[in-house]
Amino acid sequence: TQLLEQSPQFLSIQEGENLTVYCNSSSVFSSLQWYRQEPGEGPVLLVTVVTGGEVKKLKRLTFQFGDARKDSSLHITAAQPGDTGLYLCASDPPGTASKLTFGTGTRLQVTL
Amino acid sequence: DAGITQSPRHKVTETGTPVTLRCHQTENHRYMYWYRQDPGHGLRLIHYSYGVKDTDKGEVSDGYSVSRSKTEDFLLTLESATSSQTSVYFCAIRDSRPTEQYFGPGTRLTVT
Repeated sequence: TQLLEQSPQFLSIQEGENLTVYCNSSSVFSSLQWYRQEPGEGPVLLVTVVTGGEVKKLKRLTFQFGDARKDSSLHITAAQPGDTGLYLCASDPPGTASKLTFGTGTRLQVTL
Repeated sequence: DAGITQSPRHKVTETGTPVTLRCHQTENHRYMYWYRQDPGHGLRLIHYSYGVKDTDKGEVSDGYSVSRSKTEDFLLTLESATSSQTSVYFCAIRDSRPTEQYFGPGTRLTVT
C-alpha cells in the first residue's frame, strides 16, 4: 500500500505569512491531487499534477510536483484567514485503478 | 459544483441497530465511493462502485455493505452499528478523468 506522508501535521500562522506543506511517498506517483477541506464540509479538489517537475499556480497557491514524481509541495503566499482548512494530498497507486490513497493532511489555521 | 447529496447529514443511533446512508448524484458518473474520516487516520475507503450492481471493497470494509441499483444512488449500510463506526462518512464520485473525485457534504454518524 502506498503511504502518503504529509508535513507538517499542524500549522498556525498569522495573516500575510508564507507557508509550504509537503506530501511525500516512497513510491512513484502516477499523478497527485491536492484537496482543501473546510470544517463541516467535504474535500474540494484544488489541482492535479501529472508531469514530473510540473508547477501549477492557483491565485496565491503554487503546487509543485517533484522531478521523480515521489513528492509534491503546496506553497501559499500571503496567507489569509480564508485559507484555513485541512489540506490533503491524494494519489492513485499503481495497480489500483479508480481508487485514491489520501495523506493524513495538514491542518492550517490562519489568524488575523 | 458536482451534484452530490448525502442523507441524512447527521444521525445518532444505538449500538446494534442497522443504519443506511444514502448518496445521490445528478452527474451520471460511473464511479461512486464511500469513505470514512477519523482523526489521525485521514480518509479511508470503505467500498466503491464502478457501475450499477458492480461494487468492490476498500481498505476498511468490515461491518459495512453497499448497494447500487441505479446510477445515481449508492447506499452504505451498517448491518449492526458499533461504537467504532462513529465517524464522518463521505461519498465521492469520479469524473471522466482517471483520478479526480468530487465529494459530498458528509454524514456525521454517532453510535452510542
